[in-house]
Amino acid sequence: GAVVSQHPSWVICKSGTSVKIECRSLDFQATTMFWYRQFPKQSLMLMATSNEGSKATYEQGVEKDKFLINHASLTLSTLTVTSAHPEDSSFYICSARGPGAIRETQYFGPGTRLLVL
Amino acid sequence: EDKVVQSPLSLVVHEGDTVTLNCSYEVTNFRSLLWYKQEKKAPTFLFMLTSSGIEKKSGRLSSILDKKELFSILNITATQTGDSAVYLCASETSYDKVIFGPGTSLSVIP
Repeated sequence: GAVVSQHPSWVICKSGTSVKIECRSLDFQATTMFWYRQFPKQSLMLMATSNEGSKATYEQGVEKDKFLINHASLTLSTLTVTSAHPEDSSFYICSARGPGAIRETQYFGPGTRLLVL
Repeated sequence: EDKVVQSPLSLVVHEGDTVTLNCSYEVTNFRSLLWYKQEKKAPTFLFMLTSSGIEKKSGRLSSILDKKELFSILNITATQTGDSAVYLCASETSYDKVIFGPGTSLSVIP
């Protein structure tokens, strides 16, 4: 089956630092990748959609200068939380969709827990 | 505004019970209805529904979509403690956007 990995799974950082999260599709080419965040006991909120080689489309209310998304290849997308603050602490999940039969659904990565002190 | 609503938001049942989780949606350019199970980590895919009235089944889980009433249900029969999780319903649009509902937290007690 389609596998999506995320790295790191856990990150703790000081306020003001930038944090990069990687999302990789391991056994398929992801034409589209999605980034979500999830606060405790809440549902997933879509942050942005990215297609390989083009700029990400951000959802309303998501600051694109704060959350930089790069979809450099068909198997890798990165989310950089710039100048992170405690309110950015959350669970960040990526998902990927490929072409053909893989396109039927999104496959989720295991998520990255970010804690900003 | 696109939205997905789930009910109940939480549910506690005993092992062996049958549960029905509800999902209603209002989205423009609807393409499919998705069900996911989320335990401690990221959601795992359960079902994708695109056609009305066709039941999808996987073991003790089944789901059906009513596109006229904009509604879907997820049934779990003979529940087990391992079914305890948050069940997320999501609606996908033709623009590749997926809108998630708030989830139903299911607790199955022995």
